[in-house]
Amino acid sequence: NAGVTQTPKFQVLKTGQSMTLQCAQDMNHNSMYWYRQDPGMGLRLIYYSASEGTTDKGEVPNGYNVSRLNKREFSLRLESAAPSQTSVYFCASREAQGQGSAQYFGPGTRLLVL
Amino acid sequence: QKEVEQDPGPLSVPEGAIVSLNCTYSNSAFQYFMWYRQYSRKGPELLMYTYSSGNKEDGRFTAQVDKSSKYISLFIRDSQPSDSATYLCAMSLTGGGNKLTFGTGTQLKVEL
Repeated sequence: NAGVTQTPKFQVLKTGQSMTLQCAQDMNHNSMYWYRQDPGMGLRLIYYSASEGTTDKGEVPNGYNVSRLNKREFSLRLESAAPSQTSVYFCASREAQGQGSAQYFGPGTRLLVL
Repeated sequence: QKEVEQDPGPLSVPEGAIVSLNCTYSNSAFQYFMWYRQYSRKGPELLMYTYSSGNKEDGRFTAQVDKSSKYISLFIRDSQPSDSATYLCAMSLTGGGNKLTFGTGTQLKVEL
């Protein structure tokens, strides 16, 4: 099992450009999440998908959109990148059988917006 | 005030020491508590997962939850240089999509 995979590993964008971050999991998990990690701020939830076909906003959704393409894949789109979106982005998944199973994270995408 | 507080460190200890990492939180409704380990430039890796109060042991790691004090701890026995990483605490409510609230992480360095 590869677990949670993310592409690309690193990306440089200019202000105003758009891009999509890809995430896939092979653990047959129901729920998937997108976080950003910034120094001194910890991990903050951008969007999540509790199950296939549903998406909901997290703590910091502005400037982002998501698509739950199927049970395996959950993408994050930046329509018009801004320097404030320079961050490390992590995707996570959770089995969601019962109330409290833990989340498993991918390796991250480092994004630099100039 | 943040919902979850965690001392950022860095915490430097000699090899073989017992390490204590801690988080405090303000929301008494949190029910599930996790510790993640994150190596530099890598994704967080789940270390320990506990429900409600009590202790849980896994090898050299012990997680402790005291809900009455809103305080959780991770103990590492016989610390090794390979334990050098940032340790993140996380917690969640029952239901609600299992959204996790994270501490900012404590950086640990175990020196030879």
